[in-house]
Amino acid sequence: EVQLLESGGGLVQPGGSLRLSCTASGFTFSSYAMSWVRQAPGKGLEWVSGISGSGGTTFYADSVKGRFTISRDNPKNTVYLQMNSLRAEDTAVYYCAKVIVPAARLGNALDIWGRGTTVTVSS
Amino acid sequence: DIQMTQSPSTLSASVGDRVTITCRASQTISSWLAWYQQKPGKAPKLLIYKASSLETGVPSRFSGGGSGTDFTLTISSLQPDDFTTYYCQQYSSYPYTFGQGTKLEIK
Repeated sequence: EVQLLESGGGLVQPGGSLRLSCTASGFTFSSYAMSWVRQAPGKGLEWVSGISGSGGTTFYADSVKGRFTISRDNPKNTVYLQMNSLRAEDTAVYYCAKVIVPAARLGNALDIWGRGTTVTVSS
Repeated sequence: DIQMTQSPSTLSASVGDRVTITCRASQTISSWLAWYQQKPGKAPKLLIYKASSLETGVPSRFSGGGSGTDFTLTISSLQPDDFTTYYCQQYSSYPYTFGQGTKLEIK
C-alpha cells in the first residue's frame, strides 16, 4: 500500500525552527517529485514547496522562500522540510504529497497525501 | 504568481442535484489543473487531474472540463458523501496555487 507519514510537528516560539519529515512506503520513492502543502486553521490549502525525484530541483512559495528548505534522502525514502525563522502565520497542518506521474515535470497533480502534522508557532 | 479563483465559495444543493463549480486562472495554464475533495480533519483527495482525467477509484459522477483559463468540476447526481469542500489547483508553473475552496452544503 502506498503511504506517506509525516512527523516532526509541534509547538515552537516565533523565530524558532522545526524540521518536518515525511517517510514514504509502497512505491519507488526516488522516481517521484514530492510537495509540501499546508493548511492554516479554518483556511484553504497553500502549496509550500516541491522537490524533484533526484532532489536537484526545488521550488518554494514566496511566503516561505529564504526561511524553509526542502530536501530528500532517497535511500531513506524520506523528504524533509526545514523551517527556520518561524512566524505565527506559519501555524498550520503540514501535508506531504507525491505527484501522480513518475519521472515527470515537478508540477503535477498530487495523488497520495499523508495525514499531516501540526505546527503551532506561538509564545 | 497565477491566481486561482473558484466560484461560488458556497453552494447549497440537494441529494440528486447536478452541480458545477468553476475555477478561473489569472493566466493560461493549458490543462494543468487538478480538483481535490477535502473532508473536515482529513487530507485532500485527488478527484481530477489534467483538467478532465478521472483519478482511479473516483466515482464517474465526477467530471472535469475546460482548458486555458476556465475550468469546471461537475457532480452529476449529488450523494450524501459529496457535501464537503472542493479545491482546484494549477500546476502549470510554480508556485502551484490553489483556489480558495468551494463548500458544498445540503439545502
